[in-house]
Amino acid sequence: NAGVTQTPKFRVLKTGQSMTLLCAQDMNHEYMYWYRQDPGMGLRLIHYSVGEGTTAKGEVPDGYNVSRLKKQNFLLGLESAAPSQTSVYFCASSYVSWRTGELFFGEGSRLTVL
Amino acid sequence: AQKVTQAQTEISVVEKEDVTLDCVYETRDTTYYLFWYKQPPSGELVFLIRRNSFDEQNEISGRYSWNFQKSTSSFNFTITASQVVDSAVYFCALRGNRGAQKLVFGQGTRLTINP
Repeated sequence: NAGVTQTPKFRVLKTGQSMTLLCAQDMNHEYMYWYRQDPGMGLRLIHYSVGEGTTAKGEVPDGYNVSRLKKQNFLLGLESAAPSQTSVYFCASSYVSWRTGELFFGEGSRLTVL
Repeated sequence: AQKVTQAQTEISVVEKEDVTLDCVYETRDTTYYLFWYKQPPSGELVFLIRRNSFDEQNEISGRYSWNFQKSTSSFNFTITASQVVDSAVYFCALRGNRGAQKLVFGQGTRLTINP
């Protein structure tokens, strides 16, 4: 099993450009998440999805959009990239279970906005 | 609101020393879950442990142990006889019993084990 796969792994953008990060999971998980990791700030939730066709805002949603057209995929879009969006982005997924709840993470995508 | 605080930004010890990583949390939920994740230099996040709020029994797994104390809202992580391979950033995280199983992470503690 591949688990959670993120593409691309690295990307450099100029201010104002747009891009999409793709997250794919093969574990049939209902829930999917996008986090960003910045030095000294841990991981902060951008958007999440509780199932196909649904999305919701997390802690830091501004400047990002997401879509969950298929259960296995969760896309994160930047319409007009800003230097403040330079970060490492992590996608994660989880089972719907109150007994477990641990997140399974992708390897991360490093984005630099110049 | 839920919050996780890892006051130790960086810790550096010599191999074979014991080291404890502190984690303090805040939540109004009566049922909640606490987690520790490890992020080695390669960058991926590795799940280490999950603890339910209604189970305060401490847990030991090899050289790793976790001390959960509801009275002080702490969930500390101890590595005994540390090894160089333990060098990583460690994150403590909290999930309440409402919402879509969203994890709230602490700022992380960078642990360096020197040979």
